Amino acid sequence: DAGITQSPRHKVTETGTPVTLRCHQTENHRYMYWYRQDPGHGLRLIHYSYGVKDTDKGEVSDGYSVSRSKTEDFLLTLESATSSQTSVYFCATRGGGANYGYTFGSGTRLTVV
Amino acid sequence: SQQGEEDPQALSIQEGENATMNCSYKTSINNLQWYRQNSGRGLVHLILIRSNEREKHSGRLRVTLDTSKKSSSLLITASRAADTASYFCATDREDDKIIFGKGTRLHILP
Repeated sequence: DAGITQSPRHKVTETGTPVTLRCHQTENHRYMYWYRQDPGHGLRLIHYSYGVKDTDKGEVSDGYSVSRSKTEDFLLTLESATSSQTSVYFCATRGGGANYGYTFGSGTRLTVV
Repeated sequence: SQQGEEDPQALSIQEGENATMNCSYKTSINNLQWYRQNSGRGLVHLILIRSNEREKHSGRLRVTLDTSKKSSSLLITASRAADTASYFCATDREDDKIIFGKGTRLHILP
């Protein structure tokens, strides 16, 4: 997980509150991704970024927004948290284009009560 | 919808035996990747096989790819207790999205 830091590592929040998760990388990778991992669903892509201010939606983007104002930071915001957004969130980066693997962060465990 | 589907969902073998996991996918790909995830941790990239490759080795890992059948297999030889983890295949599609399967939980018995 060296080079990618997710914060916070754990968070408990109340339904209806906004929440922002941060992914910080020191690898200067162009591509960054947010996934959520849930039992029975594997990893599902929420949003991704091809570069600064260049983002796009993934499979499960409803209720989430992202921002990337700097190469090293990719923020995921839950606009109004719901219990269905209780999950483990992973950030990943990729340095090159095709034929490069991902580097993952250690994850953020979010509980919405 | 999931692109890659691993099979089996769970696998228990004795230490020293070989473990084989399979992955099937649906659309054209640039490459297929395998990842390992230990409990409570992030995913670790193991190996990548390009769409024009049929077999690749890395240490005790052997990956095959059959694009005509849209399937891949991961073989771990001479398994060790430390291999206990979940293993995911991920397909790098032509739209640059990498889509993961639901994983195979591998348990190595002492």
